[in-house]
Amino acid sequence: QSALTQPASVSGSPGQSITISCTGTSSDVGGYNYVSWYQQHPGKAPKLIIYDVSNRPSAASNRFSGSKSGNTASLTISGLQAEDEADYYCISYKGGSGYVFGTGTKVTVL
Amino acid sequence: EVQLLESGGGLVQPGGSLRVSCAASGFTFSSYAMTWVRQAPGKGLEWVSTINNSGGRTYYADSVKGRFTISRDNSKNTLYLQMNSLRSEDTALYYCAKEIGTMGPNFDYWGQGTLVTVSS
Repeated sequence: QSALTQPASVSGSPGQSITISCTGTSSDVGGYNYVSWYQQHPGKAPKLIIYDVSNRPSAASNRFSGSKSGNTASLTISGLQAEDEADYYCISYKGGSGYVFGTGTKVTVL
Repeated sequence: EVQLLESGGGLVQPGGSLRVSCAASGFTFSSYAMTWVRQAPGKGLEWVSTINNSGGRTYYADSVKGRFTISRDNSKNTLYLQMNSLRSEDTALYYCAKEIGTMGPNFDYWGQGTLVTVSS
């Protein structure tokens, strides 16, 4: 079960928008609309910020949005804020094989 | 208030066994699938195993299949992960997580984790 591919790091200035990609295969990301995104601050448990590709839980900021094209899902953070500095992980359903996480992306606010 | 409290982690020798638990409260435990996710020190998240709400269906990552067993006791609101034939690469913080009730990897509540260290 190979991990989904994410960029190791992405950075941006406050107020800017950044996008994190999550690339898989037709057996996971491309095959199902079951991609979620998690935010993890150091020493903390992950937090769900996007589910089912583009749905946002009520507790998540509306500055987070998700999309998918083919085998690649994307998370966009708009109006970047200092509190957005964290690690971000995508995860996809793999059919009967369960789930697979992405490699993780460290977001730095310059 | 939803709470998930993991316990049972510790130091174990390679080849040994350990059972970690996750005590749940604040929601109807028997209505939701539950999942274990682990994170090796300084590394990313890895999905380990999922069990449906009744306990009748279980799923495992290839890395633990045949060595780990997920189970639940709905009468005790507790989730378990029995880990056998442990390897150094199983060293990680083990989180339990509650699914939101829809299809897909959607975990709305997480515990704080229990640390498992496999070393001689």
